[in-house]
Amino acid sequence: SQKIEQNSEALNIQEGKTATLTCNYTNYSPAYLQWYRQDPGRGPVFLLLIRENEKEKRKERLKVTFDTTLKQSLFHITASQPADSATYLCALDETGDYKLSFGAGTTVTVRA
Amino acid sequence: EPEVTQTPSHQVTQMGQEVILRCVPISNHLYFYWYRQILGQKVEFLVSFYNNEISEKSEIFDDQFSVERPDGSNFTLKIRSTKLEDSAMYFCASRPGAKNIQYFGAGTRLSVL
Repeated sequence: SQKIEQNSEALNIQEGKTATLTCNYTNYSPAYLQWYRQDPGRGPVFLLLIRENEKEKRKERLKVTFDTTLKQSLFHITASQPADSATYLCALDETGDYKLSFGAGTTVTVRA
Repeated sequence: EPEVTQTPSHQVTQMGQEVILRCVPISNHLYFYWYRQILGQKVEFLVSFYNNEISEKSEIFDDQFSVERPDGSNFTLKIRSTKLEDSAMYFCASRPGAKNIQYFGAGTRLSVL
């Protein structure tokens, strides 16, 4: 099965800066990759989905890239705010049947 | 906005007891899932359910686990004889047929003593 690695467990940034999170996977490239946000004691909340034939996807201050050659996705939060503080999870559908495999997550803390 | 509802939010049980975790998926969604997250670890897939039967299950989902959709709205996860290592957050998720996005509930924290 896929090994999904997300960079550093924690990322601390100053308000207004851009946070960049990395998701690397080891095996075959999935048809699409998703990013979720998880707040303490809550369930994951869907943010963005990017397909293998898409290089970049944007939603408000969020941007995701997908490089199937590098087997990597980057997740950017621009103009970060304290309310963006949360754990961000990368998720793959390994088998095409919508069973999601999650990375361990990166916890982002935005300082005011 | 419609949401997945899970009850109870916290369940405490003794080892060896049976527990039922309940979920009300989003109305008109067709696919249902259970995931679990042990404290400090990844969210892990347990089982998927469609058309009143299990589509796929993980190695974690052994004979002690079962799922059921007893009526048109509820989706339950039963653990027959709980173990200490079953202590975790259990998340229910549902998905409409046309999209790949899963919508998660807030979870049930299961504490096995």
